[in-house]
Amino acid sequence: AQKVTQAQTEISVVEKEDVTLDCVYETRDTTYYLFWYKQPPSGELVFLIRRNSFDEQNEISGRYSWNFQKSTSSFNFTITASQVVDSAVYFCALSEAYSNYQLIWGAGTKLIIKP
Amino acid sequence: DAGITQSPRYKITETGRQVTLMCHQTWSHSYMFWYRQDLGHGLRLIYYSAAADITDKGEVPDGYVVSRSKTENFPLTLESATRSQTSVYFCASSVSGGAVGELFFGEGSRLTVL
Repeated sequence: AQKVTQAQTEISVVEKEDVTLDCVYETRDTTYYLFWYKQPPSGELVFLIRRNSFDEQNEISGRYSWNFQKSTSSFNFTITASQVVDSAVYFCALSEAYSNYQLIWGAGTKLIIKP
Repeated sequence: DAGITQSPRYKITETGRQVTLMCHQTWSHSYMFWYRQDLGHGLRLIYYSAAADITDKGEVPDGYVVSRSKTENFPLTLESATRSQTSVYFCASSVSGGAVGELFFGEGSRLTVL
C-alpha cells in the first residue's frame, strides 16, 4: 500500500492562479516527519519544508503555505499567485521510526504554470 | 564551490557491463544516500551510509554495490548492468541521521543501459 500518495499526477494552471498540491500519508508511528521537495527542470531536488508530527501549525513562507492535518493524514502545499518559475515536480515525503527514518517518497506532482 | 557533485551526468552502457557512478560532497556530512528516480515511482532508496565504512541497504539494493572508504565519497557500482537499471540516479547527503534532517541532492546521473 502507498504510504505517501500524491493523487495529482499533473496540474496545469495559468500564472497568478492559486494552486494546491495534495499529499496524503499513512503511518503507525506517533513521531514522524513530513517533507516537501521541489524538482525544477534542471533536475536537482531542493528541500522546501519539514514538519514534525507534533506541530500542526500551518506554515507560510512568502507565496508558499503548508496545511498539516493529522485528522485527515494530509500535508497539502499551496502556492499563491503562481509564477512560471514555480513550474516543477513537487514531491511529498514521510520519515518514520518504523522505516528507520528513511524517506518514503510520493510519486510526485508535475506542476505546469502557463504564462 | 561547496556542494555535492555527481559524475558522470550522462552515461550510456550495454547490458552486462560494469558501471560506477561517483558522488562527492564537500560538507563532511555523515550521511549519504543513493536514490533512483523512475517515472511513477518517485524516488527509491538504493543504499545509504551513516559514516565511512558503514553502509546499509535501502528499498531496492539488488544489482548494486556501494563503498564508503572516505566520508566525502560514496560511489555506486552496477556490477553487471541490466536494462531495468536504466534510470536517473541521485546522490544525497545529510547532517543528521535517517531523514530527520534536510537532504542535499546532487544534479543526478542519467544512465541508459542498452
